[in-house]
Amino acid sequence: SQTIHQWPATLVQPVGSPLSLECTVEGTSNPNLYWYRQAAGRGLQLLFYSIGIDQISSEVPQNLSASRPQDRQFILSSKKLLLSDSGFYLCAWSDGGASLPEQYFGPGTRLTVT
Amino acid sequence: AQKVTQAQTEISVVEKEDVTLDCVYETRDTTYYLFWYKQPPSGELVFLIRRNSFDEQNEISGRYSWNFQKSTSSFNFTITASQVVDSAVYFCALSEAGYSTLTFGKGTMLLVSP
Repeated sequence: SQTIHQWPATLVQPVGSPLSLECTVEGTSNPNLYWYRQAAGRGLQLLFYSIGIDQISSEVPQNLSASRPQDRQFILSSKKLLLSDSGFYLCAWSDGGASLPEQYFGPGTRLTVT
Repeated sequence: AQKVTQAQTEISVVEKEDVTLDCVYETRDTTYYLFWYKQPPSGELVFLIRRNSFDEQNEISGRYSWNFQKSTSSFNFTITASQVVDSAVYFCALSEAGYSTLTFGKGTMLLVSP
């Protein structure tokens, strides 16, 4: 069966510091991968999605970036965090063949920028 | 453009009451998928159901049931005999065929008190 991992679970970082959040998927190959942010208002904001290595689409221009160094690894980064980057970050995967369009989410990382 | 509206921001019920969560969607595509997700206080989004646009059969799974009506562009979710464990934020989502991304509603927070 497929599983998705995210780490760290929680993170407190000062403004201006770098960020690296990691997501890995097991039990599937060539998945579509997604990064979402959920602010206190509860809505889900799609940040990036990737349909393959080196194929990453950015949905919202901001100081975040994403990379996919391996087929089942998706990394969210920032060189300098802003206060507004605080939130709950969720990684998700879906079947790359799109035969099953539903997304499956990881446990999330709660980021607080101080 | 796709749009998902969950007009109910928050619903409070007492245990054993039935509750219906509303979802209205907009799409120009004739082939699309609809989803419901549950987000308990732990934060992880849990996939509940996917419905294809060409299948309007209602579905029942235990205490959960879903009513899909293309004529009103609605995909409502009913919990029968609610329980405290049903307390969560519930998201409705839409995906058009051929697209890898989901459009989420803003979510409905359900509070079930004993």
